Amino acid sequence: ELKVEQNPLFLSMQEGKNYTIYCNYSTTSDRLYWYRQDPGKSLESLFVLLSNGAVKQEGRLMASLDTKARLSTLHITAAVHDLSATYFCAVDKSSGGGADGLTFGKGTHLIIQP
Amino acid sequence: DADVTQTPRNRITKTGKRIMLECSQTKGHDRMYWYRQDPGLGLRLIYYSFDVKDINKGEISDGYSVSRQAQAKFSLSLESAIPNQTALYFCATSSGQLHYTFGSGTRLTVV
Repeated sequence: ELKVEQNPLFLSMQEGKNYTIYCNYSTTSDRLYWYRQDPGKSLESLFVLLSNGAVKQEGRLMASLDTKARLSTLHITAAVHDLSATYFCAVDKSSGGGADGLTFGKGTHLIIQP
Repeated sequence: DADVTQTPRNRITKTGKRIMLECSQTKGHDRMYWYRQDPGLGLRLIYYSFDVKDINKGEISDGYSVSRQAQAKFSLSLESAIPNQTALYFCATSSGQLHYTFGSGTRLTVV
């Protein structure tokens, strides 16, 4: 059974600081997704990471994937209040030979204070 | 118009009632999914479908059923709703290649 663990689950930080969210998963997969969700809203796709060593950046967010360690990170640089949201990582089961669909972590609730 | 449309957006129903949540898509994707979101638990897969003739259970299918009426339509039913089915429900589609597209969600409250 594929398990996806995120940490921390809750993070309060100040504007201007850097921080990293971690996502570990339990079985082989080379397709890792990061999503953002604002309260009561749908999921907004941030990154899709497809191979070992993949790194993608968009603005103050940078995501990386280490398939050997089964670890992905989402790094926030010089945080601003607008990045306050819940961030989910998800693993595509199908790429690991399992059933179709995404398995999600529990999410990291991020609050950035002025 | 949204690529993936869910109806209703919000619904309050009584325990024991049958309720159907509907999802339609204009993406032309073969694969469709129903997820449930509970606070602090992330999204969990209820059912998924590769095409009209292919329906598969996800990790939490008990108490739910689905119908794939056409490539573009995938409905989720609660035959006899119970309070612990109160949640935010998302429909999603995928071409099977890379990207998933999520609907806006249906907030269901069972009282």
